[in-house]
Amino acid sequence: ELKVEQNPLFLSMQEGKNYTIYCNYSTTSDRLYWYRQDPGKSLESLFVLLSNGAVKQEGRLMASLDTKARLSTLHITAAVHDLSATYFCAVDSTYSGGGADGLTFGKGTHLIIQP
Amino acid sequence: DAGITQSPRHKVTETGTPVTLRCHQTENHRYMYWYRQDPGHGLRLIHYSYGVKDTDKGEVSDGYSVSRSKTEDFLLTLESATSSQTSVYFCAISQGVGETQYFGPGTRLLVL
Repeated sequence: ELKVEQNPLFLSMQEGKNYTIYCNYSTTSDRLYWYRQDPGKSLESLFVLLSNGAVKQEGRLMASLDTKARLSTLHITAAVHDLSATYFCAVDSTYSGGGADGLTFGKGTHLIIQP
Repeated sequence: DAGITQSPRHKVTETGTPVTLRCHQTENHRYMYWYRQDPGHGLRLIHYSYGVKDTDKGEVSDGYSVSRSKTEDFLLTLESATSSQTSVYFCAISQGVGETQYFGPGTRLLVL
């Protein structure tokens, strides 16, 4: 059974600081996704990482994937209040031998960025 | 935003009643999914469809059934709702296996 673990689950930080969210998964997969969710809203796709060593950047967010370590990171640079949200990583079960064409999500990281 | 709508957006129902949630897409994507989101669990896959009349179970399919008679519509039915099915339900679509999934606005369901 594929398991996806995120940490931390809750993070409060100040504007201007840097921080990293970690996503570990339990079985082989080379497709990993990051989503953002604002309170009461739907999920917004941020990044798709498709191979070992993949790195994607958008503004103050950068995501990377190490398939050998089964680890993805989401790095926040010089955080601003607008980045406050819950961030989810998700692994494609199909590529991990799970047999189902769906995503297995981590529990999410609730990020609060204070002025 | 991808053209995905869900209806109803909010529903309150009583234990034991049947409930059907609808997901409608205008993107002509082949794959459609139903997830539920609960505090402390992230999102969990209920059922998915890989084409018209082609569906399969996900991680938490017990108590749910689905149907897809047209490319654009994917229905989720709770035959006899229970309080444990109180949740936020999200529909998602994708063009193919391994492609990015795009999520609908969600349906908040409360079973009393």
